[in-house]
Amino acid sequence: DAKTTQPTSMDCAEGRAANLPCNHSTISGNEYVYWYRQIHSQGPQYIIHGLKNNETNEMASLIITEDRKSSTLILPHATLRDTAVYYCIVSAYTGANSKLTFGKGITLSVRP
Amino acid sequence: DVKVTQSSRYLVKRTGEKVFLECVQDMDHENMFWYRQDPGLGLRLIYFSYDVKMKEKGDIPEGYSVSREKKERFSLILESASTNQTSMYLCASSLWGDMSNQPQHFGDGTRLSIL
Repeated sequence: DAKTTQPTSMDCAEGRAANLPCNHSTISGNEYVYWYRQIHSQGPQYIIHGLKNNETNEMASLIITEDRKSSTLILPHATLRDTAVYYCIVSAYTGANSKLTFGKGITLSVRP
Repeated sequence: DVKVTQSSRYLVKRTGEKVFLECVQDMDHENMFWYRQDPGLGLRLIYFSYDVKMKEKGDIPEGYSVSREKKERFSLILESASTNQTSMYLCASSLWGDMSNQPQHFGDGTRLSIL
């Protein structure tokens, strides 16, 4: 699986958009970009994923660059409950090797 | 919404005990997974199952076994618990099909302490 690089931490003001960057310069053509988050003492929560087109759901938007070497997760109106560790994962599921490799992630702190 | 339920949030057991961790999902998912999460090591896959009675080893299966007798239930068994198995255990499930395009959905975890 391709590796990802994320900043260690960032913060944003409540109500503003939070833009979380991720670099995955070695991504290959069949690998998807996934975003999960983990709030303290809870299990990881799936947010969104995509291959090469931008994606949007009720939680967030995912913007993938044309060369697919980086992506940005956008939380359009951050709330205090969005404070969490956010993981960017690049993975191609291959049957017996189907697994998610979580790195250190980025800690997002939403301030009042 | 997908619901993955783990039987206990916190569990304390003694060295040498046989420990059962239970996981149930309500979305008719074919795939189920067991991970452990430790500080600095991220999530590591212990076992997964893609069908009833089927199982595959993950990265760290030693000291563990699993059971999948029904589609919705996946059990992790610590045959003889040891202190180095103190960890957060996470269960996940996903649909079959194009597995690269199927997100995994997690339970809230069981924090297991072995004394």
